Amino acid sequence: EDQVTQSPEALRLQEGESSSLNCSYTVSGLRGLFWYRQDPGKGPEFLFTLYSAGEEKEKERLKATLTKKESFLHITAPKPEDSATYLCAVQTRANAGKSTFGDGTTLTVKP
Amino acid sequence: NAGVTQTPKFQVLKTGQSMTLQCAQDMNHEYMSWYRQDPGMGLRLIHYSVGAGITDQGEVPNGYNVSRSTTEDFPLRLLSAAPSQTSVYFCASSPRGVGDTQYFGPGTRLTVL
Repeated sequence: EDQVTQSPEALRLQEGESSSLNCSYTVSGLRGLFWYRQDPGKGPEFLFTLYSAGEEKEKERLKATLTKKESFLHITAPKPEDSATYLCAVQTRANAGKSTFGDGTTLTVKP
Repeated sequence: NAGVTQTPKFQVLKTGQSMTLQCAQDMNHEYMSWYRQDPGMGLRLIHYSVGAGITDQGEVPNGYNVSRSTTEDFPLRLLSAAPSQTSVYFCASSPRGVGDTQYFGPGTRLTVL
C-alpha cells in the first residue's frame, strides 16, 4: 500500500526565517511526486512535479528536491503570503491517474 | 477556459437522503478524480477515472457511486447520506502523460445532519 507522510504537521516561521518541509513516501514504482499549495477554503494549486531522485525544481522562494525515500520543500526567506497548507502526493507507474496524498503541513509566516 | 467547475458550493442533507455532486472540466483531460478532505487532513481518494466509460475505486469508495459517460463530466452520487460523509469534496482533472498535473475545482462543502 502506498504511503505518504508529511512533517511537521504545522510550522510557524518569522518572515525571512528559512526552513524545510518533509514528505516521506513508500511506494512501489514511483511515477511522480507532486507538491501542491492549498489556501483556506480553496482547492489545491499545483506547485511542482518531481520524477527521479536527484531532481530539483524552483519557483520564487520555493525549491523542491527528491531522493529515493523523501522529498523536501525548502522555503527561503518566506513572506506572510507564503502562509498556506502544503500537500505532497505520489503516483505510481502501476496506477497512472491515481494519487495518494499526505496530510499536509500548515505553514504560518508571521511578519 | 473555466477549468474544473463543481456544483453546488454548499449543501445540507438529512441522513438517508441521496444527492449528486456535479463536476465538469473543459480542458479535454482524460483523468478525473473525486477526493474528500476532512478537517486537518489531506485528500483521500474516493473514485477516479482514466477515461470515458472507465472508473475505479480509491481509498474510501463506500457509500459513493460514479460514472463517466463523457470526457467532460464526472458526477459523484451519494446513495444514502450519513453524518460520516460530512466533508469538503474536491474534483480534479489531469491530462494523461508525463507531467500530468492535477487541476482542482473549488470544492463542495457538504453537511449531513
